[in-house]
Amino acid sequence: SQELEQSPQSLIVQEGKNLTINCTSSKTLYGLYWYKQKYGEGLIFLMMLQKGGEEKSHEKITAKLDEKKQQSSLHITASQPSHAGIYLCGADMMRGGADGLTFGKGTHLIIQP
Amino acid sequence: DAGVIQSPRHEVTEMGQEVTLRCKPISGHNSLFWYRQTMMRGLELLIYFNNNVPIDDSGMPEDRFSAKMPNASFSTLKIQPSEPRDSAVYFCASSLQSSGRPGLAKNIQYFGAGTRLSVL
Repeated sequence: SQELEQSPQSLIVQEGKNLTINCTSSKTLYGLYWYKQKYGEGLIFLMMLQKGGEEKSHEKITAKLDEKKQQSSLHITASQPSHAGIYLCGADMMRGGADGLTFGKGTHLIIQP
Repeated sequence: DAGVIQSPRHEVTEMGQEVTLRCKPISGHNSLFWYRQTMMRGLELLIYFNNNVPIDDSGMPEDRFSAKMPNASFSTLKIQPSEPRDSAVYFCASSLQSSGRPGLAKNIQYFGAGTRLSVL
C-alpha cells in the first residue's frame, strides 16, 4: 500500500481558477516536502513543512501541514499556464529526517487557457 | 551555482549489457540519494549515502544493482546485467543534512535532471 496518498491523481483547471492538491499519510510526518516536476525533467523543490499547523507561501502557492502532521495541502491561487506540471509530496517518515524521502505518486496539473 | 549533474541524460541499451549512471552532487552537500521513477510505482528510493558511506540500500531491487560513492563529488549506479524491466528514469539527489530543533533535521533534497534508461 502507498504510504503517501496524493489526490487528485490529475487535475484540469481553467486558467485563473484556484486549486488544491492533498497529500495524506497514516503515519506522522516528520518533514513534508513539495516538489514540482515538468515533463521529462527533474524535481524542483517548492516548500518544506515540519511543524503541525505550519503554513508557507511562495508567490501564488501556499502549503499547509495539519496539526496532527499527517496531511498536507498545496493551494494555487489564480492558476497560470506556468503552474502546469506534476506536483509531488515527499515525506520524512522517521524522526531525525536524515533518510531518503517517501513520495506520493504525484498530481498531474493541466491549465486550460 | 551548478546543481546536481547526472550523465548520461538518455541511455538506450540491449538486455544483458552493463549500464553505468553517473552523478555529481552539489558541492558541500553530505548526503546523496538515488531514486527510480516509473509510471507504475512512482518515485522510489534505491539507496542513499551519508558522508560517502552507504546507509540504506534496502531499496535496491536486486544484486544486479550496485552503487558506489568513491568521494564526495561523484557517485555511480551500475546495473549488470540490465533487463527490460529496469527501464525507468533514474534520479540522483543531494542534500546538506543539518539539525534544527532536536529531532527535526532538515532534509531538503535537490534533484538532478535524471537519466532516462531504456533497455531493449
